Amino acid sequence: QTVVTQEPSFSVSPGGTVTLTCGLSSGSVSTSYYPGWYQQTPGQAPRTLIYSTNSRSSGVPDRFSGSILGNKAALTITGAQADDECDYYCVLYMGSGIWMFGGGTKLTVL
Amino acid sequence: EVQLLESGGGLVQPGGSLRLSCAASGFTLTSSGVSWVRQAPGKGLEWVSVITSGGSTYYADSVKGRFTVSRDNSKNTLYLQINSLRAEDTAVYYCASVRNGFWGQGTLVTVSS
Repeated sequence: QTVVTQEPSFSVSPGGTVTLTCGLSSGSVSTSYYPGWYQQTPGQAPRTLIYSTNSRSSGVPDRFSGSILGNKAALTITGAQADDECDYYCVLYMGSGIWMFGGGTKLTVL
Repeated sequence: EVQLLESGGGLVQPGGSLRLSCAASGFTLTSSGVSWVRQAPGKGLEWVSVITSGGSTYYADSVKGRFTVSRDNSKNTLYLQINSLRAEDTAVYYCASVRNGFWGQGTLVTVSS
């Protein structure tokens, strides 16, 4: 059973840059997996940051960017701010209409 | 502007049934696959089911045989029929066009006696 992997937690300094990754327990992530990234604060619905690898959702600032780095999808946040501290989820398309989410990364800004 | 508006959640006893709805505006449900995604309290996101643009349906193993996804093209509305509800089905249910990044705000389903 393939699993989508994310770092459970990550820390970044205010103003710093952080790259979160999204991989597969078996195999490499490519654009064919249409990776997406979501930001979620407690009690709120997920907010789409990135879809289809590197397309930024409407209203998302350009300090959030998506890419493929090596064999993983990546979300890079530049100029980290205090309100970036929350959970981040990735999703990958597994074929036949099926999507699979990663377990999420809790980002701390300190 | 694209909007996906879920409704139909509520408190239901174990073994009961519920039908969730997702009304779309600014977006045609037949143009892309649309999924149901759920999030149990304090847990991560879980993909549940999808209806593709062509009308094919797929389900996560955890809900196969109990959940049925459908859509009414004339109403541009997606449905999720949930039967034989279990406590572990308690979650916020979202409809989403995952590939395009469109998500609703969710509807809460609570399964409890």
